[in-house]
Amino acid sequence: QISLKESGPTLVKPSQTLTLTCTYSGFSLTTSEVGVGWIRQPPGKALEWLALIYWDDDKRYSPSLQSRLTITKDTFKNQVVLTMTDMDPADTGTYYCARRRSGLMWFGTYYYTDVWGKGTTVTVSS
Amino acid sequence: DTQLTQSPSSLSASVGDRVSITCRASQSVSFYLNWYQQKPGQAPNLLIYATSNLQPGIPSRFSGSGTGTDFTLIINNLQREDIATYYCQQSYDTITFGQGTRLEIK
Repeated sequence: QISLKESGPTLVKPSQTLTLTCTYSGFSLTTSEVGVGWIRQPPGKALEWLALIYWDDDKRYSPSLQSRLTITKDTFKNQVVLTMTDMDPADTGTYYCARRRSGLMWFGTYYYTDVWGKGTTVTVSS
Repeated sequence: DTQLTQSPSSLSASVGDRVSITCRASQSVSFYLNWYQQKPGQAPNLLIYATSNLQPGIPSRFSGSGTGTDFTLIINNLQREDIATYYCQQSYDTITFGQGTRLEIK
């Protein structure tokens, strides 16, 4: 059974660095075309994609947050870690990690996020 | 970045109705458009990938269509368990989501 679980602090102070860990099971992040990403959702608002790391260590970041984000993986521990620096109250929300996969159709290689963790809530407040 | 605009932002429909949600991209995303359902208090769930392909386990009353900049999610025979917020997402370039469509039952 495929699952992902987010963990990390529930409360951080402004200007601090947030470190979140995604522990996954039931699949391998060494398998070709597999990735794990992070998505967040402020209270009552829409989803926002943050970062993604692929099986081959290719990393992608949201352009608007790139300077504050770092994503890494440890395939021995089955973990993906996201760090976000200089936290602000506007960063308050639920943070999800999720598996990304791809497939091939006549128009090209398509990507989708098929399994999500339940999310972890982060509040930024002094 | 490619912006996605969903309409309507919210809608109310009756059980058994046919519901349509549209997603318009600021530039062509070809067929690289996915739909997710998020029920209150839960993580999003993949409904449709690559415009029109139903994720295994998703009821056949859900369907998707479109290409380029205009996409549609259709829910036939609306059920109470379909109460949720629906998001489109493009993966043509930097991943972006629409702002969501909140679906309520009359």
